[in-house]
Amino acid sequence: DAKTTQPTSMDCAEGRAANLPCNHSTISGNEYVYWYRQIHSQGPQYIIHGLKNNETNEMASLIITEDRKSSTLILPHATLRDTAVYYCIVRFYGSGNTGKLIFGQGTTLQVKP
Amino acid sequence: ETGVTQTPRHLVMGMTNKKSLKCEQHLGHNAMYWYKQSAKKPLELMFVYNFKEQTENNSVPSRFSPECPNSSHLFLHLHTLQPEDSALYLCASSQVGLAVSTDTQYFGPGTRLTVL
Repeated sequence: DAKTTQPTSMDCAEGRAANLPCNHSTISGNEYVYWYRQIHSQGPQYIIHGLKNNETNEMASLIITEDRKSSTLILPHATLRDTAVYYCIVRFYGSGNTGKLIFGQGTTLQVKP
Repeated sequence: ETGVTQTPRHLVMGMTNKKSLKCEQHLGHNAMYWYKQSAKKPLELMFVYNFKEQTENNSVPSRFSPECPNSSHLFLHLHTLQPEDSALYLCASSQVGLAVSTDTQYFGPGTRLTVL
């Protein structure tokens, strides 16, 4: 699986958009970009994933660059409850393959009042 | 119950004890996973079960013994653990397809294990 690089920590003001970057310059054509978050000592929570098109759901938007070497997770209106560690993961999925999630250190997002 | 549940949520055990962690998924998935998260470390995949068959064991010591009796239940049997095995143990499940697709892993809340 491709390695990802994320900033160690970020701050965001409550009510503002939080933009979390991720570099995955060695991503291959059949690897997906996944985002999870983990609030302190809880299980990771799935946020969103994508292959090459931008994606949006009720939680966030995922912007993937055209060359797919980087992506940005956008939380449009951050709240204090969005304070968590955010993990960007690239993951191969093939036929009959339980593609592994390999977690890195992630980005600790602190949303401040 | 919805999603993925884990019991107990907290467990304290001595090094000579035998205990089991239980995971149950209510999502109709066919794959289940055990992860370990030690303090200040990333999550590490331990075991993968696909259609009740173990498909991955990431060099986990034999004092951890998984069991998957059906696609909804997963156990982790623990015996003669060491203090360094203290960690958050997380279970996840997903629906694995037979064609190129994506499957999303959904996690339980975890069991916080302390080995004295």
